[in-house]
Amino acid sequence: NAGVTQTPKFQVLKTGQSMTLQCAQDMNHNSMYWYRQDPGMGLRLIYYSASEGTTDKGEVPNGYNVSRLNKREFSLRLESAAPSQTSVYFCASKEVGSNQPQHFGDGTRLSIL
Amino acid sequence: AQTVTQSQPEMSVQEAETVTLSCTYDTSESDYYLFWYKQPPSRQMILVIRQEAYKQQNATENRFSVNFQKAAKSFSLKISDSQLGDAAMYFCACTNQAGTALIFGKGTTLSVSS
Repeated sequence: NAGVTQTPKFQVLKTGQSMTLQCAQDMNHNSMYWYRQDPGMGLRLIYYSASEGTTDKGEVPNGYNVSRLNKREFSLRLESAAPSQTSVYFCASKEVGSNQPQHFGDGTRLSIL
Repeated sequence: AQTVTQSQPEMSVQEAETVTLSCTYDTSESDYYLFWYKQPPSRQMILVIRQEAYKQQNATENRFSVNFQKAAKSFSLKISDSQLGDAAMYFCACTNQAGTALIFGKGTTLSVSS
């Protein structure tokens, strides 16, 4: 079972470059999420998609855009990367229902110089 | 705004001993869900245990159990018979107001010594 697959696993960008992080899940989950993890900050929600066709801002959406391409795929785009966006990015998905746990991908380590 | 607070940035325990990780949260909801996730050095996020707020009975999963105090808004994780493989960062999380996403604490790094 692949679960949640994120690509790429590592990436280095220069300031001002654009980049799309890809996420796909094979569990037929309705909801998908993008988080960023920074030292001492825990995981902070960037955007989420409660169901196909909908997206909502999380705690730290500035500088990012998302696309829910279909039920399986949820991408995160940095239009003009900034050093403050250096982070580890996690994608997650879950079934409908507040009690359902989120299943996470392995993360993407993104460095912006 | 909802918050989840983990007041212990680092904890340590010896093998076979018991350790308790603290978590408090702030929510105005009466029905919500709480989770503990483990993140080992591999960076994976692994679900450890979950608790439904309307259930008074504390959740248990093998060596992992919680002490859920709803009135105090406290959700601590107890790890019994600690093993070297328990060394990781542990995150506490609570569902948000709409029940559509999770609010995470900043994490507690647990080290286990032999």
